[in-house]
Amino acid sequence: DIVMTQSPDSLAVSLGERATINCKSSQTILNSSNNKNSLAWFQQKPGQPPRLLISWASTRESGVPDRFSGGGSGTDFTLTISSLQAEDVAVYYCQQCYSSPFSFGQGTKLEI
Amino acid sequence: EVQLVESGGDLVQPGGSLRLSCVASGFSFHSAWMHWVRQAPGKGLVWVSRINTDGSNRIYGDSVKGRFTISRDNAKSTLYLEMNSLRAEDTALYYCARDLGYNRLGSWGHGTLVTVSS
Repeated sequence: DIVMTQSPDSLAVSLGERATINCKSSQTILNSSNNKNSLAWFQQKPGQPPRLLISWASTRESGVPDRFSGGGSGTDFTLTISSLQAEDVAVYYCQQCYSSPFSFGQGTKLEI
Repeated sequence: EVQLVESGGDLVQPGGSLRLSCVASGFSFHSAWMHWVRQAPGKGLVWVSRINTDGSNRIYGDSVKGRFTISRDNAKSTLYLEMNSLRAEDTALYYCARDLGYNRLGSWGHGTLVTVSS
């Protein structure tokens, strides 16, 4: 099974500053059919279901502000929020979509 | 608008059974692969199960394999999760989610709470 490890577990960033969350997979998650990494990022606010922010490690979903960006390759990935807004306070999860079981990272709590 | 509405969660004793439902609307349910994901109180997300469009392919996480069964009724646009031999560690909010392709979980319901306790 693929293990996803996020760092840090929690992060405090000032409004307008950059926030970076890391995610490491225990093995490569490169989809050979399209040469893309099968890595997704989710945002979960209190009392709400997760929201898909980014697919394929770097493709923003429709409606996601462009201050959110994903990057990385191989086994190391990042989610960056370029200028933190108050509404970005949430827990963020990475997930590998490559092979079953489709494991999540443990989550990173982002605070102001 | 895509909507997923879960139901069926309840307080159940260890060893008991429960069936969860997820009614879908706003998209072509019959052509979507579907997943269940759970979240224990105050904890992270755990993938549970996935089913393909006609129910012929079903996979499960190790912690529920042999105890849970995913199924679907495309005529009713409804996804199910049959849960048997429930344990305290199955206590969680259970979400259904729509697969956008390649196991990308694009739409989620608000979840239904299962509590396993005596």
